[in-house]
Amino acid sequence: ETGVTQTPRHLVMGMTNKKSLKCEQHLGHNAMYWYKQSAKKPLELMFVYSLEERVENNSVPSRFSPECPNSSHLFLHLHTLQPEDSALYLCASSQDHGDPNTEAFFGQGTRLTVV
Amino acid sequence: DAKTTQPNSMESNEEEPVHLPCNHSTISGTDYIHWYRQLPSQGPEYVIHGLTSNVNNRMASLAIAEDRKSSTLILHRATLRDAAVYYCILHTGFQKLVFGTGTRLLVSP
Repeated sequence: ETGVTQTPRHLVMGMTNKKSLKCEQHLGHNAMYWYKQSAKKPLELMFVYSLEERVENNSVPSRFSPECPNSSHLFLHLHTLQPEDSALYLCASSQDHGDPNTEAFFGQGTRLTVV
Repeated sequence: DAKTTQPNSMESNEEEPVHLPCNHSTISGTDYIHWYRQLPSQGPEYVIHGLTSNVNNRMASLAIAEDRKSSTLILHRATLRDAAVYYCILHTGFQKLVFGTGTRLLVSP
């Protein structure tokens, strides 16, 4: 248990569906992150939020839409996804996104399959 | 971006020490060296980090070369539960954690 909780753990969705991934942390951290991990590939950073403000968007397609309503919650809204978007989606948090002398805590991930 | 180089895989026997190397010849003075590991079907887990001095915690030790161009993660007694992919990452301020391909550690009974 890392203190970062992701739901659901598994999700199967059709290409025309709309779904949301949820991430929650009660560690008092100010920064939250979405990563994508495709099969046989390294983790790719998607979005970074600091104090509920998006500070980084790494050329992610608009079919992925993040939302950070408060410092404890982070969502990833999904719509009209493609089969190649099937991957493990990981949420992480850290005390401060600008401080390298601190560690990040990751959730267990949501295994997404797009059919 | 400062890069790291790690072997693709390493093998160890249970209860033996494991030394996982990482080269980072282009490291800058403000880069912290972080290690994470990822067990099968789980998210990455923080292991240890340091700047210049060697570091110890309950999970592992981090030995940093004097010139900081390389480091070694030391697991003092490997267990089967230590089988994972280990990532060595350089972290500087507003540069986020960027993961490479890591070293896959195989532990045999």
